[in-house]
Amino acid sequence: DTGVSQNPRHKITKRGQNVTFRCDPISEHNRLYWYRQTLGQGPEFLTYFQNEAQLEKSRLLSDRFSAERPKGSFSTLEIQRTEQGDSAMYLCASSSQGAAGANVLTFGAGSRLTVL
Amino acid sequence: AQSVTQLGSHVSVSEGALVLLRCNYSSSVPPYLFWYVQYPNQGLQLLLKYTSAATLVKGINGFEAEFKKSETSFHLTKPSAHMSDAAEYFCAVSERAGGFKTIFGAGTRLFVKA
Repeated sequence: DTGVSQNPRHKITKRGQNVTFRCDPISEHNRLYWYRQTLGQGPEFLTYFQNEAQLEKSRLLSDRFSAERPKGSFSTLEIQRTEQGDSAMYLCASSSQGAAGANVLTFGAGSRLTVL
Repeated sequence: AQSVTQLGSHVSVSEGALVLLRCNYSSSVPPYLFWYVQYPNQGLQLLLKYTSAATLVKGINGFEAEFKKSETSFHLTKPSAHMSDAAEYFCAVSERAGGFKTIFGAGTRLFVKA
């Protein structure tokens, strides 16, 4: 298993453009998460999928953001009409519930978005 | 609601010195607690986790953390710092029952001086 894969690693776009990020989780993991990380901050929760169902969305996820996980495999995070404030590292993580119930996350390397 | 506070955004130690990174949590229910590490240009990776067994938890690379319920703390320590320990460290909390959301602290960057 190659771990959690995210593409693209870097994206530079102009304000107002749409961008899409892809995440391929560890194949046997049924849970998938998107987080956002800005400079000097820890990862902030955006949304969570169990299999193909999106079970929670943070208030940070405005209506310009949409995430999907068709067939419970890879996931996409789309940002429409990007704004400079969207510039951040977008992290994907996956997990499967452990025997002790602790939800250990395996992270990808992230997709860095720069909005000019 | 759960939250995590990491005291000190930057910590600098000399090689061979004790590493102490502080974390306090807030949770209305018994939590799971974690420390993750992020090396430059790499994804976050799990260092150690507290799930309810021993309150002193040992992790990778010689790190350990002690869960202290009375102090709501989960500080990370390592007896002797190595240059390769330079990284950003994140404390995190999630709920026990059906806890799917992990909340992270702001992180502490560790510098190790030769």
